[in-house]
Amino acid sequence: DADVTQTPRNRITKTGKRIMLECSQTKGHDRMYWYRQDPGLGLRLIYYSFDVKDINKGEISDGYSVSRQAQAKFSLSLESAIPNQTALYFCATSDFVDRQETQYFGPGTRLLVL
Amino acid sequence: GQNIDQPTEMTATEGAIVQINCTYQTSGFNGLFWYQQHAGEAPTFLSYNVLDGLEEKGRFSSFLSRSKGYSYLLLKELQMKDSASYLCAVRPGGSYIPTFGRGTSLIVHP
Repeated sequence: DADVTQTPRNRITKTGKRIMLECSQTKGHDRMYWYRQDPGLGLRLIYYSFDVKDINKGEISDGYSVSRQAQAKFSLSLESAIPNQTALYFCATSDFVDRQETQYFGPGTRLLVL
Repeated sequence: GQNIDQPTEMTATEGAIVQINCTYQTSGFNGLFWYQQHAGEAPTFLSYNVLDGLEEKGRFSSFLSRSKGYSYLLLKELQMKDSASYLCAVRPGGSYIPTFGRGTSLIVHP
């Protein structure tokens, strides 16, 4: 069973629609992240959370919001989707032990905004 | 701003050793990451360096020199499955927001 899961895996939506991407983890990690990946631009951090109710903006948070209501779940919302939010979205978790951080990525969600 | 440089593409032969370099210019330093990503798949975490020196994990090793703003990923005994993109990412000082390089596409041929 996968430790970090994302739903849906693929989504097509229209401009102006509100959508939510879900991330769940069974690793018991406090730290969770949402990234987007665009061709040629690498990964960029959208939001991150180090605990339940803890929310921090990343590099590109405009147009997105998140919710961390439980340790195992971190949801990403697009309040009003626009075409340039078409991208591959990854959720990740990490643990931090003895100054060593290890990260685990979900399988990704492909989002197409028409 | 933050700047991460790594070669766009490298080729190597199965069984050989390859070194992928990453140089960075950031405002302070709070850790460097290496990831492997196969086409169409999620990134896989490879290493995290926060102190100078070499970290070895099986066939993969990562080196960091903070004074030189330099890291490398060393892959030994290359296998065909090592053909992938390798991403370097750096967190600037006092921040958990990483800056990613554009990735190095490694092609391993027989």
